Amino acid sequence: DTGVSQNPRHKITKRGQNVTFRCDPISEHNRLYWYRQTLGQGPEFLTYFQNEAQLEKSRLLSDRFSAERPKGSFSTLEIQRTEQGDSAMYLCASSPGQGAVDEQFFGPGTRLTVL
Amino acid sequence: AQSVTQLGSHVSVSEGALVLLRCNYSSSVPPYLFWYVQYPNQGLQLLLKYTSAATLVKGINGFEAEFKKSETSFHLTKPSAHMSDAAEYFCAVSGNNFNKFYFGSGTKLNVKP
Repeated sequence: DTGVSQNPRHKITKRGQNVTFRCDPISEHNRLYWYRQTLGQGPEFLTYFQNEAQLEKSRLLSDRFSAERPKGSFSTLEIQRTEQGDSAMYLCASSPGQGAVDEQFFGPGTRLTVL
Repeated sequence: AQSVTQLGSHVSVSEGALVLLRCNYSSSVPPYLFWYVQYPNQGLQLLLKYTSAATLVKGINGFEAEFKKSETSFHLTKPSAHMSDAAEYFCAVSGNNFNKFYFGSGTKLNVKP
């Protein structure tokens, strides 16, 4: 399977703990995106990488959130000192970064539950 | 800035009936528009996309959408619903730099036998 993969699929943590999620994009896709989706809502943009460079961050991405994409391959999203409001589905997407229309391919998501 | 409004958080149709899911967009630049489908516990799958070429766009699984600039709409239709179409559908808009997509809040489609 050459789609976008995310690990873990589910994470339950206690408030105040740190969590880290991983995203492996489609091979050779230059762009990688993180979104957050809460119940009853559509995905909301968090941040975007062009290769290893983080080019844009949403105001939703507080100081407790950090994302990296070392070497322009996989990406990690870390949440420090988790809060109950962080409970959501975290989606990763990648796109080729070429051509006229750059559709995004989504992974299955990581569902975070903060107790 | 871009935004999307999806009218109707839940739509219910009978199997074989017409499916119409509404999407209106706002964009300060010529938009690129997308419809995605999400099945339970799965990621989003692209149904179709508008790329400023033909205004009537055909996608997978028999779905199509028509871009109407005058109405700022991009409604999704399917002539005959199947039980397997039951899912949540999201409309999204992007500007010309594709840095991010703006999604609507989604429409859950229920198909009754």
